[in-house]
Amino acid sequence: DAGVIQSPRHEVTEMGQEVTLRCKPISGHNSLFWYRQTMMRGLELLIYFNNNVPIDDSGMPEDRFSAKMPNASFSTLKIQPSEPRDSAVYFCASNPQGAESPLHFGNGTRLTVT
Amino acid sequence: GNSVTQMEGPVTLSEEAFLTINCTYTATGYPSLFWYVQYPGEGLQLLLKATKADDKGSNKGFEATYRKETTSFHLEKGSVQVSDSAVYFCAPRVGTDKLIFGTGTRLQVFP
Repeated sequence: DAGVIQSPRHEVTEMGQEVTLRCKPISGHNSLFWYRQTMMRGLELLIYFNNNVPIDDSGMPEDRFSAKMPNASFSTLKIQPSEPRDSAVYFCASNPQGAESPLHFGNGTRLTVT
Repeated sequence: GNSVTQMEGPVTLSEEAFLTINCTYTATGYPSLFWYVQYPGEGLQLLLKATKADDKGSNKGFEATYRKETTSFHLEKGSVQVSDSAVYFCAPRVGTDKLIFGTGTRLQVFP
């Protein structure tokens, strides 16, 4: 079991550039979550998918953020255009069906927007 | 919706001290309760869980009991180690709802 795989591990970009973060969930997991972590706001849920369908995107900060899950083994989170306040660690997590099943997190992507 | 309140950190302890990190929650419905731990530079990982009232979750010397009457799930460990230094997150989850985390409590253990 390779776990949840995120790429890149670190991303440094200039304000105004497009950023794409990638996630490969654990095979067989039905749900996928994108979180953002900062010192000021803690861990925020941005969006989550069940069976590749977005269920709740109320945490997406604004229209500059978009997420897709074209198939069960891949998801992207895109920021266009990026801004310095987007700097954070972005985590992807997946879990199998059921409330009792824990989330499995990737190691995150540290984004720095200058 | 679901929400959770954790004690403010950082919690600073000497090795072998007793640890308590308080957690209270509100949830619509009957949640499963989780504690996650985050070590530096890593994502969160499950520490322990409890799925019904009065259940006790335990792992690596940590324990937490599901208290429905007080809507609490306090984390305890009898003797902490330096390697326990991390950030701890409490989280309730109802059904397949989104998992909402508390602010996290940073634990620092010194030799």
